[in-house]
Amino acid sequence: KQEVTQIPAALSVPEGENLVLNCSFTDSAIYNLQWFRQDPGKGLTSLLLIQSSQREQTSGRLNASLDKSSGRSTLYIAASQPGDSATYLCAVNGGTSYGKLTFGQGTILTVHP
Amino acid sequence: EAGVTQSPTHLIKTRGQQATLRCSPISGHTSVYWYQQALGLGLQFLLWYDEGEERNRGNFPPRFSGRQFPNYSSELNVNALELEDSALYLCASSLSWTGLGNEQFFGPGTRLTVL
Repeated sequence: KQEVTQIPAALSVPEGENLVLNCSFTDSAIYNLQWFRQDPGKGLTSLLLIQSSQREQTSGRLNASLDKSSGRSTLYIAASQPGDSATYLCAVNGGTSYGKLTFGQGTILTVHP
Repeated sequence: EAGVTQSPTHLIKTRGQQATLRCSPISGHTSVYWYQQALGLGLQFLLWYDEGEERNRGNFPPRFSGRQFPNYSSELNVNALELEDSALYLCASSLSWTGLGNEQFFGPGTRLTVL
């Protein structure tokens, strides 16, 4: 059974800091990995998708890396802003059950001015 | 281009009633997924429909069911509601399964409260 773990559970940083969110998964037979952002009480916004054959993806200030063999992914956020405050979720597609996403519990990020 | 839409936004039911939640995918997407986000339990996969067929099902009792219509919109039905069914129900859509896995795009969710 695929299990996804995110560290840290919560992170509070001052504006302007660069930060790293971590995600690990137990079954490396994945199709892809997605990073999402969720604001309180809202749906999920897809930030980055990394296919299993890729090592990293970049979008603006965000960079996600994937090391499939070790079951790890990181999301790097450069020059954080208060508007980045949200819950960040990592999800993997594949392993023992294809199609569905298996989510981590998320990292709650607070960026204070 | 319109994103994934869900209705209603909020739904209040009492124990034992039935709830029906609706989802319209992004134009061109044929796969629809349903997830439950209950307080303290995280996001759990419920159902996946593609081209009108159920492709995968999560570990939920049979009173959770759904269907996909010819226009690829979908309905999630929850029968015999229990208090623990109170949650945010999220729908996602993607292009049809290619064997590589497709990016899933989520709607705003339906907040179901069971009293």
